[in-house]
Amino acid sequence: GAGVSQSPSNKVTEKGKDVELRCDPISGHTALYWYRQSLGQGLEFLIYFQGNSAPDKSGLPSDRFSAERTGGSVSTLTIQRTQQEDSAVYLCASSLTGQAGANVLTFGAGSRLTVL
Amino acid sequence: EDQVTQSPEALRLQEGESSSLNCSYTVSGLRGLFWYRQDPGKGPEFLFTLYSAGEEKEKERLKATLTKKESFLHITAPKPEDSATYLCAVQAGNYGQNFVFGPGTRLSVLP
Repeated sequence: GAGVSQSPSNKVTEKGKDVELRCDPISGHTALYWYRQSLGQGLEFLIYFQGNSAPDKSGLPSDRFSAERTGGSVSTLTIQRTQQEDSAVYLCASSLTGQAGANVLTFGAGSRLTVL
Repeated sequence: EDQVTQSPEALRLQEGESSSLNCSYTVSGLRGLFWYRQDPGKGPEFLFTLYSAGEEKEKERLKATLTKKESFLHITAPKPEDSATYLCAVQAGNYGQNFVFGPGTRLSVLP
């Protein structure tokens, strides 16, 4: 597609439920990133994919968070047993490569998660 | 640890009133400094990449500059449509996982 697509755009869930957030990157972009943005805060790095591999998962806040990428394209971020502190906007971005000097990130519009 | 700070946190300008936003960073081995603009309810949109001290980039009313410790985003004669949050990010290391974003400056330009 022309841009990075994320779904759902809004998700309201109850504490303890599992949620899945989807990211469809720009076709041909090998690098994919997930960030979290809480109200009034900067972007918090979660995970980075190069192809289907995730060389850096260090940003995932707990083992309730996991992510996968299939076919070098679509990625899913899963949050199990959601907590109220998980409420945030989850942003996905992709870039042509992951290499320094060639790293303009194109972001999706985000998925706003509200945990009641 | 790589860190990025931005100031001011928020800035209100009258239309036509020029000003500058600051991004200060500490990083080992800077590979690039990026400016993004974020409108409410949207993802950040790329503005500029700067790679080395002394470099400058311009786009319409915006000009970004870079030194060894900080970057400035100069806004000349701003218009209300320039109102947004401006994010600075640095990349260190050889691969993309080393992006670090600052908290942003929320700019409001009043007509």
